[in-house]
Amino acid sequence: DAGITQSPRHKVTETGTPVTLRCHQTENHRYMYWYRQDPGHGLRLIHYSYGVKDTDKGEVSDGYSVSRSKTEDFLLTLESATSSQTSVYFCAITEGGGYGYTFGSGTRLTVV
Amino acid sequence: GQNIDQPTEMTATEGAIVQINCTYQTSGFNGLFWYQQHAGEAPTFLSYNVLDGLEEKGRFSSFLSRSKGYSYLLLKELQMKDSASYLCAVDNTNAGKSTFGDGTTLTVKP
Repeated sequence: DAGITQSPRHKVTETGTPVTLRCHQTENHRYMYWYRQDPGHGLRLIHYSYGVKDTDKGEVSDGYSVSRSKTEDFLLTLESATSSQTSVYFCAITEGGGYGYTFGSGTRLTVV
Repeated sequence: GQNIDQPTEMTATEGAIVQINCTYQTSGFNGLFWYQQHAGEAPTFLSYNVLDGLEEKGRFSSFLSRSKGYSYLLLKELQMKDSASYLCAVDNTNAGKSTFGDGTTLTVKP
C-alpha cells in the first residue's frame, strides 16, 4: 500500500488545454503539497494545503490552481497549459513536525 | 528571501566516506531535512535536524549548525546504490512547507 498515489503518471497535452493532476493519500495527513521539478531548479513549491478547503500559494503558483474538497484528495489544475509547464510534478504529504515528506511517484507532463 | 546552496556534483569511491554540504539563508527555520532521490524516482526522506549537532542513522549522519546556517550529510562505507541526488530542504515554519536546494548529484565509482 503506497499511502500516496498520483495520476496520471505520464501525460502529453497541447498548449492551451486545461489539465488536472490528482494526488490521493490514505494516511489522513493534514498537509499536502504540489511541487514541480526541473533541471537546474530543484523542487519548487506550487501550492499547498493545510486542511480541507484550506490552500495557499507557493513560489511558482502562476497558471496553476488547486482544490481540496476531501482530506485524501488534492487536485492541481493547469488552467491553460503552456510549454513552460512541461515538468515533473510531485505531490507530497506530511503530518508535520520532523517527519518529513512522503512523495508520490510523480507525473511527467509534456506540453506540446 | 530563501537561499539554499549545495554543490552540484560530487564523485567518490566505493567504500569511502563523503560529506555533502548545505548552506542556507531563510526567513524562517523549523528544521532541516535531507532527502535521497535516485534518477527517475521520487525523493525519499533521510534525516531531520532541528537542534545543533549530529544525528546518526546507520551509514548516514547529518549535522546542523543553526548559527552558521550550515548542515552536512555524511555517508560512510559508500555503496554503488548510494549514487543518487541528495536534496537539502529547510522547513520554513509555515504549514510545514519546505524550500529545497537544487540537489547534489553523487556518483560512486568502483
